[in-house]
Amino acid sequence: DAGITQSPRHKVTETGTPVTLRCHQTENHRYMYWYRQDPGHGLRLIHYSYGVKDTDKGEVSDGYSVSRSKTEDFLLTLESATSSQTSVYFCAIGRASTDTQYFGPGTRLTVL
Amino acid sequence: AQTVTQSQPEMSVQEAETVTLSCTYDTSESNYYLFWYKQPPSRQMILVIRQEAYKQQNATENRFSVNFQKAAKSFSLKISDSQLGDTAMYFCAFIPSQGGSEKLVFGKGTKLTVNP
Repeated sequence: DAGITQSPRHKVTETGTPVTLRCHQTENHRYMYWYRQDPGHGLRLIHYSYGVKDTDKGEVSDGYSVSRSKTEDFLLTLESATSSQTSVYFCAIGRASTDTQYFGPGTRLTVL
Repeated sequence: AQTVTQSQPEMSVQEAETVTLSCTYDTSESNYYLFWYKQPPSRQMILVIRQEAYKQQNATENRFSVNFQKAAKSFSLKISDSQLGDTAMYFCAFIPSQGGSEKLVFGKGTKLTVNP
């Protein structure tokens, strides 16, 4: 397995609270990604990073921010969680176009 | 905007038989990559196969092969000698190879069940 972990693995929170999800890799990959997976939608890209402090938005970035202060960690923050952000969140490493992309185990987030 | 369509929400096949999953995509790009990912019940996403659009030859990986029809914008996955471990969600995905975008676009998935 690629060295990629996500924390927490499960979280239940209330509407309006801030939430931060962490993705940690030990592979020294330059590229890291955050996706969300919802029934009927497949996976959708939220944000991705192509280096320390270098990030770009995906198709569903509204309501999310990211930070990457070091190669191994990519943080996803929901500034004020809403019920529509209830989802399973996957982190991935490896350049999507030219590398094999490896996915983390996912974080199930429930916003009540 | 690029879109990926998987028209079969669910499929089933008997063990040892062959099954084909469909995928079509819409793009104005001439060069791009196409992928099939597998997500078993464990939820772990796994790359099954990759195809580069400029390559005429269809990609194969053991029992998995694709039928890439560029003019028709079709990219189907054939699984031969189906095994119980092939039971999973299968996602088709697309990314352009030019422009520096690393935004992978997924289809909504096909749930495949392999029956004993």
